[in-house]
Amino acid sequence: QLQLQESGPGLVKPSETLSVSCNVSGGSISSSDYFWGWIRQPPGRGLEWIGTMSYIGTTHYSPSLKSRVALSVDTSKNQFYLKLNSVTAADAAVYYCARHEAVSATGYYGMDVWGQGTTVTVSS
Amino acid sequence: QAVLTQPSSLSASPGASASLTCTLRSGINVGTYWIYWYQQKPGSPPQYLLRYKSDSDKKQGSGVPSRFSGSKDASANAGILLISGLQSEDEADYYCLTWHSGAWVFGGGTKLTVL
Repeated sequence: QLQLQESGPGLVKPSETLSVSCNVSGGSISSSDYFWGWIRQPPGRGLEWIGTMSYIGTTHYSPSLKSRVALSVDTSKNQFYLKLNSVTAADAAVYYCARHEAVSATGYYGMDVWGQGTTVTVSS
Repeated sequence: QAVLTQPSSLSASPGASASLTCTLRSGINVGTYWIYWYQQKPGSPPQYLLRYKSDSDKKQGSGVPSRFSGSKDASANAGILLISGLQSEDEADYYCLTWHSGAWVFGGGTKLTVL
C-alpha cells in the first residue's frame, strides 16, 4: 500500500527558503500512472493547493504561489520536493504531499492519497 | 467571489442523513466539473472520500463506505456529499475540490457536528 511521508525543517526564518521532502513507499514515484502534489493548511484554516508534478517534470503551480515555488523529484530516492522561497508568517502551515491518479500524460485527477503532513513555523 | 463555497457548519443527528453542499461561483457550470470530497478529523490529514461528475462518471475512494455518496444539484449549481446513517465518527471537517482555470481549488470546508 502506497504511503507518503513528509520531512521538513520545523522552523524557517522570514525571507528564507522552506524546503520539504516527501518520501514515497510501497510504490514507485517513476510511474506514469500518477502525479505528485503539495497542499498546505495554515493553523485553523482550510486547504490550499501549492503545486503538482509528474516524475518526468511536468509541473502545475498555484497562480498565487507560482513566483516562489519550485517542485522537483529524485527518482533514485523515490522522493519529491517542495521549495518555497522568501517565506513570511503567512507561509506557516502544515504541508502535505499527496498522490494524483493520472488521466493522461498531462492530466490527472484530484489527490487520493495523502501524507501525514509536516508543520512549518516561520519565525526569527 | 470564491470558486467553491461551502457552508461553514452543519449539524445533524445520529442515524439521520446529512447533505453537504459545494456551490460553484456564478458563471461556472457544475455540470462539466469533477467534484471531489475529503474528510478531515482534528490532527489528521484529509482522507479522500469520492469524486463525482455524473451518475455514470464517479468513483468511490478505496474503503470508503457506500453511505457516503456524491451528486449534483444543477438548479443550485452545486456538488453534494450525502452521508446517510450518520455516525458519531462522521463528525469532521469536509472539503470539496475542483479543477478550475488551470488550478486545483478547495472549498472553505464545512464542519459537520453529529449530535
